[in-house]
Amino acid sequence: GENVEQHPSTLSVQEGDSAVIKCTYSDSASNYFPWYKQELGKRPQLIIDIRSNVGEKKDQRIAVTLNKTAKHFSLHITETQPEDSAVYFCAASRVSGNTPLVFGKGTRLSVIA
Amino acid sequence: EPEVTQTPSHQVTQMGQEVILRCVPISNHLYFYWYRQILGQKVEFLVSFYNNEISEKSEIFDDQFSVERPDGSNFTLKIRSTKLEDSAMYFCASRRGGQYEQYFGPGTRLTVT
Repeated sequence: GENVEQHPSTLSVQEGDSAVIKCTYSDSASNYFPWYKQELGKRPQLIIDIRSNVGEKKDQRIAVTLNKTAKHFSLHITETQPEDSAVYFCAASRVSGNTPLVFGKGTRLSVIA
Repeated sequence: EPEVTQTPSHQVTQMGQEVILRCVPISNHLYFYWYRQILGQKVEFLVSFYNNEISEKSEIFDDQFSVERPDGSNFTLKIRSTKLEDSAMYFCASRRGGQYEQYFGPGTRLTVT
């Protein structure tokens, strides 16, 4: 089955700097890659996703890139703000039938003001 | 904006007791999921459900677990005889047909003593 590795496990950046979180996946049939933000005690919130037919997607300060050949994808957050502090999870899935998301272990991002 | 809801928010139970966790998915969604998250760890898939039957289940979802959609709105997870290691946050998620995005509920924190 699918296995998702995520790095780093913790990341501290100064406010205004960029943050990059990287994930690799093992199942070449995976074709959907969402990123979730989870604040302490809250539900995972979908912040951006990418499908395997595109290499990059951007939404304001966040962007995701996908390299299908290398089977890795990354989350980029620019101009970080204290409210970006949270745990970020990547996930991968084959969107056929009702295939579930397989999550990485998460990255705790701290943005220092 | 419609959201997935879950009740209760926190459940404390004794080992060996049965618990039922309840979810109300977003109304026009067709695919339903249960995930769990042990404190400080990643989100893990339990079971997916479509068209009134289980689509996939993980190794965690053993004979002690069952799911049901008793009416047109609720989706429940039952644990027949809880164990200490069942203590976790349980998230329900749902998605629309033809869409990839899964939306998570706020979770039920289950504590087994």
